[in-house]
Amino acid sequence: GENVEQHPSTLSVQEGDSAVIKCTYSDSASNYFPWYKQELGKRPQLIIDIRSNVGEKKDQRIAVTLNKTAKHFSLHITETQPEDSAVYFCAASLYTGNQFYFGTGTSLTVIP
Amino acid sequence: EAQVTQNPRYLITVTGKKLTVTCSQNMNHEYMSWYRQDPGLGLRQIYYSMNVEVTDKGDVPEGYKVSRKEKRNFPLILESPSPNQTSLYFCASSLGLANYEQYFGPGTRLTVT
Repeated sequence: GENVEQHPSTLSVQEGDSAVIKCTYSDSASNYFPWYKQELGKRPQLIIDIRSNVGEKKDQRIAVTLNKTAKHFSLHITETQPEDSAVYFCAASLYTGNQFYFGTGTSLTVIP
Repeated sequence: EAQVTQNPRYLITVTGKKLTVTCSQNMNHEYMSWYRQDPGLGLRQIYYSMNVEVTDKGDVPEGYKVSRKEKRNFPLILESPSPNQTSLYFCASSLGLANYEQYFGPGTRLTVT
């Protein structure tokens, strides 16, 4: 099966700074890469996703980049705000959105 | 309101006592899935279903069963729960048909003693 590794496990940044979370995957057949945000005690919510035929995608302060050759993808959050504090999970999907493999999560703290 | 619901939200049970966690969605989604979340391990997929009567194993299916008799419901069954199944369980659904955005339910906190 697929193996997704996520780094760092914890990340603290000053408000206004950028945050970058990196994930690697092992199976070149993976073709869909979502990122989820999970606030304390809440359910995961999709914040951005990217498919294997795209190298970069942006949505306001959030961007995701994908390097298929190196099998890694990254989440970039610019101008961080305290409400960005949460646990972020990356995932990789095999077989077109059927099987999902998640990273172990990054706890992001934005210091006001 | 479009949503995924799970019941119960919290459950404490004993080893070996069969239980079912229900999951229902009102968005006419084709795809549904179950995950368990454990500290330091992220979310791990248990089972998924592409459509009615079509289910398949995820990464950690041992000790679990599912069924998909109706499009909106996807119950998770633990025939003989064990303490290592103590976890936070999430149901999720997506439209399918090349739309993979998953909507998660609120979670079920299960403790097996």
